[in-house]
Formats: sequence, C-alpha cells, structure tokens
Amino acid sequence: ILNVEQSPQSLHVQEGDSTNFTCSFPSSNFYALHWYRWETAKSPEALFVMTLNGDEKKKGRISATLNTKEGYSYLYIKGSQPEDSATYLCADNTNAGKSTFGDGTTLTVKP
Amino acid sequence: DAGITQSPRHKVTETGTPVTLRCHQTENHRYMYWYRQDPGHGLRLIHYSYGVKDTDKGEVSDGYSVSRSKTEDFLLTLESATSSQTSVYFCAISWDSYEQYFGPGTRLTVT
Repeated sequence: ILNVEQSPQSLHVQEGDSTNFTCSFPSSNFYALHWYRWETAKSPEALFVMTLNGDEKKKGRISATLNTKEGYSYLYIKGSQPEDSATYLCADNTNAGKSTFGDGTTLTVKP
Repeated sequence: DAGITQSPRHKVTETGTPVTLRCHQTENHRYMYWYRQDPGHGLRLIHYSYGVKDTDKGEVSDGYSVSRSKTEDFLLTLESATSSQTSVYFCAISWDSYEQYFGPGTRLTVT
C-alpha cells in the first residue's frame, strides 16, 4: 500500500445495524493514524488518534482498532443511528506533521 | 472549539487573477495546514507549516504558494487562479502533529 485507502466508498444501513469500514495505510515508518468524522456542511472533527499496534479506542458506540504491522485500521459503529450519517476519514501522519487522508467512507443511516 | 477562522468564507474570482486566503488561529498551535476538498476526494494537502517561516509542500502544491510570517496566520495564495482551483479550501491547525482542528472552510469559485 502506497497511499491511504478507505473502503467501502459508501455504505447505506438501517437504523440499529452495526457496521464497520476499513482504512489501509503504508505500514513502513508508521507514526500515527487518525479517524475523523465529517458531517455535511461542517468541518471534519477528530474521533481518534491511534499510535500503537493493537490500539483499541472507543467513544460511545464508535470504536476503532489498529494493526500497524499489516497497515490497516477498522472503525466500528454499533447500533447505527441517523445522526451517525457522515463521511468518516482516516489520515496517516508522519512524524514531521504531514497528513495523508483517504477519500473517506460515506455512511447513510436510514431511519 | 479551537479558535480558527478563515477568510473570506466565499469568493468568486476570474481566471488569471491572484487570490489570497487567510487562516487565523488564536491557539498558538505550531502546525498549520491548507487542504482542498473536491467531489470524490477526501482532503488533499496543498502546503503545511511547522513553524514561523517553515513550510513544506503537500501532494497538490502546483499553482499555490504559502506564507507564515507569524504563528497565528497562514496565507494561501493562488498566483493566477484557474478553473481547476475551484474548490473548498480548509485550513487546519495542530499542536503536536497529532489531531488536527479544522476551520470552517472557504468556498472558492474561479470563473
């Protein structure tokens, strides 16, 4: 993996469904991985910063895991709600402060 | 919310004219970033700064220049605007090269 890649590009689920999506990043020279939540007509907001292999972070119904050796992170949403509808971005950080973002996964939760 | 503002918030300009966008922060954060956001893409880094007068290029820097003469301001200049530079521009700040806080965005239209 040379770039940051996210899959799927979009996802439509029913309210109450649990869902997950993937961020793949270059595993060499890993420094940090970020997840952001981006609602329409707003600015991206940080969800998690992950730095250690095996890291698991949780905020309410949203959690994330990190595997730096194989270069991927998963974001999970348990019991999706309409207010979870947003684009979820991941970003790979270098230790020089430079970030490379994936194109995002757009989640739509139908009531 | 991090104290970060962008000006102008909306601008329409003609092809070939110079344009300067301003990002202003009140948080004394070391790192500042300029991104552009286009349909089908996440956020693409244009330039970033890791201190006063210290800047570096991102992945889409052609046609853009930046300046940071003081901690709180990071200016993005389109030397001769083209229609391909029609986009939404986001500024972001970061204390330690970890999570970034984003400004409200500037919608630029080049006609």
